[in-house]
Amino acid sequence: TQLLEQSPQFLSIQEGENLTVYCNSSSVFSSLQWYRQEPGEGPVLLVTVVTGGEVKKLKRLTFQFGDARKDSSLHITAAQPGDTGLYLCAGRGGSNYKLTFGKGTLLTVNP
Amino acid sequence: KAGVTQTPRYLIKTRGQQVTLSCSPISGHRSVSWYQQTPGQGLQFLFEYFSETQRNKGNFPGRFSGRQFSNSRSEMNVSTLELGDSALYLCASSFPGLADTQYFGPGTRLTVL
Repeated sequence: TQLLEQSPQFLSIQEGENLTVYCNSSSVFSSLQWYRQEPGEGPVLLVTVVTGGEVKKLKRLTFQFGDARKDSSLHITAAQPGDTGLYLCAGRGGSNYKLTFGKGTLLTVNP
Repeated sequence: KAGVTQTPRYLIKTRGQQVTLSCSPISGHRSVSWYQQTPGQGLQFLFEYFSETQRNKGNFPGRFSGRQFSNSRSEMNVSTLELGDSALYLCASSFPGLADTQYFGPGTRLTVL
């Protein structure tokens, strides 16, 4: 069974601060995705990374896939209240290629 | 283009009852996956359907079942409901060949009393 551990579980910061969320596993994934989920909605895909060491930027968000494809991080620069939400990482791998989700990091950005 | 729709959005049932949830994927999407989301366990994969065939299955008891119709719409059924089945049930669809890009619906919030 492939597991993804996310940390921290909860994060409350002030507007303008920087933050990093981590997603770790002992398993290798063929691809890793990050989603953001807002209350009352389903998760929305932010990015997919597939190559070890890959870095992708989406405005103030920077995503990195570990060299060994076992871990990933999400860094947000100058957080804004609109960044508030549940951030989920999800990896594809294993014999059946199903998507495994971490439990998420609940981010609150206070104005 | 309309997104993934799920009905109903909210549902209250009692233990022992059964429930059927519905999912309409984005037009042209033929793959539909179902997930259960709870505060304790997070998002857990239930099953995936493609062209009316179950292609993948998670580790849930046989009380959880699903099907997909020829128009790609999907339903999931939970029989003999337990308190622990209270959760947000999410459906996601994807385009053939782009399985990595899933579009989620808003979910059905099921409460079992």
